[in-house]
Amino acid sequence: GQSLEQPSEVTAVEGAIVQINCTYQTSGFYGLSWYQQHDGGAPTFLSYNALDGLEETGRFSSFLSRSDSYGYLLLQELQMKDSASYFCAVRDLLTTDSWGKLQFGAGTQVVVTP
Amino acid sequence: GAVVSQHPSWVICKSGTSVKIECRSLDFQATTMFWYRQFPKKSLMLMATSNEGSKATYEQGVEKDKFLINHASLTLSTLTVTSAHPEDSSFYICSALEGRDYNEQFFGPGTRLTVL
Repeated sequence: GQSLEQPSEVTAVEGAIVQINCTYQTSGFYGLSWYQQHDGGAPTFLSYNALDGLEETGRFSSFLSRSDSYGYLLLQELQMKDSASYFCAVRDLLTTDSWGKLQFGAGTQVVVTP
Repeated sequence: GAVVSQHPSWVICKSGTSVKIECRSLDFQATTMFWYRQFPKKSLMLMATSNEGSKATYEQGVEKDKFLINHASLTLSTLTVTSAHPEDSSFYICSALEGRDYNEQFFGPGTRLTVL
């Protein structure tokens, strides 16, 4: 089976930096993705790491270490609008029976306070 | 970016009735679509994967006769919840892959189903 672990909630003030860790145990691995979801809304894609290292996209960065089965999402210069749930997700290896399914973690609720 | 729509955005129905939810890719062709279910404050649980023109592949524990999935074209997939019961009340979300780009999925806005 597969499991992904991430903290349930993180609270920080505006302007701060937040790091959301994700550790995974999967039978196959084809990359770690991060999604943001506001209450009642659709998940939106933030980043994807297939190889080790850091990927930076504006205020958000994502890191992967395949040897440690670990990744994180870094949110910098926090804004009130960043209050949302953040999910890490692992993509299965592509096989004849799998189209690269995503398995999601339980999500981390980020609460940004003034 | 790619846009995926869902219809309806919310629906309330009586127990025992069937409800159809549509998922459309508006500006791209989606060879593969996924259906998820999400309970409040919980993760997205994959229900099934559908490829255009073929039968859907259901995840373990998902009743294929209860959750009928049809992927009739490259831009439309439907999920029908048959003989709905209150425990089927949930947030249903679809997503779509554009061609062979497996790096990201594009999610629809979700459908809130409430069964009375």
